[in-house]
Amino acid sequence: DTEVTQTPKHLVMGMTNKKSLKCEQHMGHRAMYWYKQKAKKPPELMFVYSYEKLSINESVPSRFSPECPNSSLLNLHLHALQPEDSALYLCASSQAQGQATYGYTFGSGTRLTVV
Amino acid sequence: RKEVEQDPGPFNVPEGATVAFNCTYSNSASQSFFWYRQDCRKEPKLLMSVYSSGNEDGRFTAQLNRASQYISLLIRDSKLSDSATYLCVAAKAAGNKLTFGGGTRVLVKP
Repeated sequence: DTEVTQTPKHLVMGMTNKKSLKCEQHMGHRAMYWYKQKAKKPPELMFVYSYEKLSINESVPSRFSPECPNSSLLNLHLHALQPEDSALYLCASSQAQGQATYGYTFGSGTRLTVV
Repeated sequence: RKEVEQDPGPFNVPEGATVAFNCTYSNSASQSFFWYRQDCRKEPKLLMSVYSSGNEDGRFTAQLNRASQYISLLIRDSKLSDSATYLCVAAKAAGNKLTFGGGTRVLVKP
């Protein structure tokens, strides 16, 4: 079982819907990440939170809005998405941003389909 | 040029055989390296970190060559369950992100 929990596992939403993806970890990690992965491609970084503050936004469109309510939780709010946004959205955490010595732990992902 | 490059494969490997593949990185500032394994429609899972001195974990051996800027992964006595995509990952100094290679697909067949 993964130590990073993501919900929901699957999500189908229309282009006018608003939905949220949730991520939770209880490993005491202080850095959390959102990645997007399309089929047969590597994960692409979207956002990094370090000590609950947004530290990296990889020029992600504003229809994706991250939120870090506390050190254990990370949300990704979705609004007015396009079909090309359909992908596997992965949350990850690490002890601290930049302390990649021990790698990142990924959640099992949310498979998003935009119709 | 991609920052981390891998042969996409697939590497078709007979069960019990040894397979090895490399990954090259272009940014000399990269300091930490990892191999992740990803099964179809699953999340990446950390297989092992890679150290300059080389390291071994059971049937898996990883090597780092900083002079030539590549890392390698060797799998001995391949099992059917080793079939997966292996992602090479590089990380720079503090404050930076992981950079993933495109992955190498390995298929172990009976």
